[in-house]
Amino acid sequence: DAGITQSPRHKVTETGTPVTLRCHQTENHRYMYWYRQDPGHGLRLIHYSYGVKDTDKGEVSDGYSVSRSKTEDFLLTLESATSSQTSVYFCAISEGTGDYGYTFGSGTRLTVV
Amino acid sequence: AQSVTQLGSHVSVSEGALVLLRCNYSSSVPPYLFWYVQYPNQGLQLLLKYTSAATLVKGINGFEAEFKKSETSFHLTKPSAHMSDAAEYFCAVSDPWAGGTSYGKLTFGQGTILTVHP
Repeated sequence: DAGITQSPRHKVTETGTPVTLRCHQTENHRYMYWYRQDPGHGLRLIHYSYGVKDTDKGEVSDGYSVSRSKTEDFLLTLESATSSQTSVYFCAISEGTGDYGYTFGSGTRLTVV
Repeated sequence: AQSVTQLGSHVSVSEGALVLLRCNYSSSVPPYLFWYVQYPNQGLQLLLKYTSAATLVKGINGFEAEFKKSETSFHLTKPSAHMSDAAEYFCAVSDPWAGGTSYGKLTFGQGTILTVHP
């Protein structure tokens, strides 16, 4: 299996609290991505990274921030969690652009109450 | 901007029947196209991808897809469904002409849940 792990796998948090999700890879891939999955919406890109300290916003970035201080770790932070951020979050990695495609982590199921 | 549409959020077939999952893309140039499968409580796995080398692409588990430029389609098929094929399937697209500026971003369709009846 590709070396990509997400933590935690499940989390319940209260509205208004900050939450950080972690994605860790052992593949030394340059590109990393955070998506959220919601019924009827497929997967939507939150943020992505194209190198250490190089990140940019995706289509649903409001309320989220990211950091990548080293190649292997990509952190997603919900600055002040809201119920609309209840979702399944997936991290993905890719070794290049174009036709490489992604390898996905197993996901984090986040519930905001 | 790239977009992809999967026709039918739910598809139900009998075991042994043909599986056809539809995907249409919106792009001014032929993009790279992917099909992923997601089993319950798991991440997504790559089934197959189109990269312009051949219009008929074979993937894992007996699935294949045909790229049709004139129809802007990349439908996924399997001749004979198996119970283990029950899962959610996602079509995705990336822009080959954006080069490095695309950063490899994929745009996903809404997903199609495949149910297989005995």
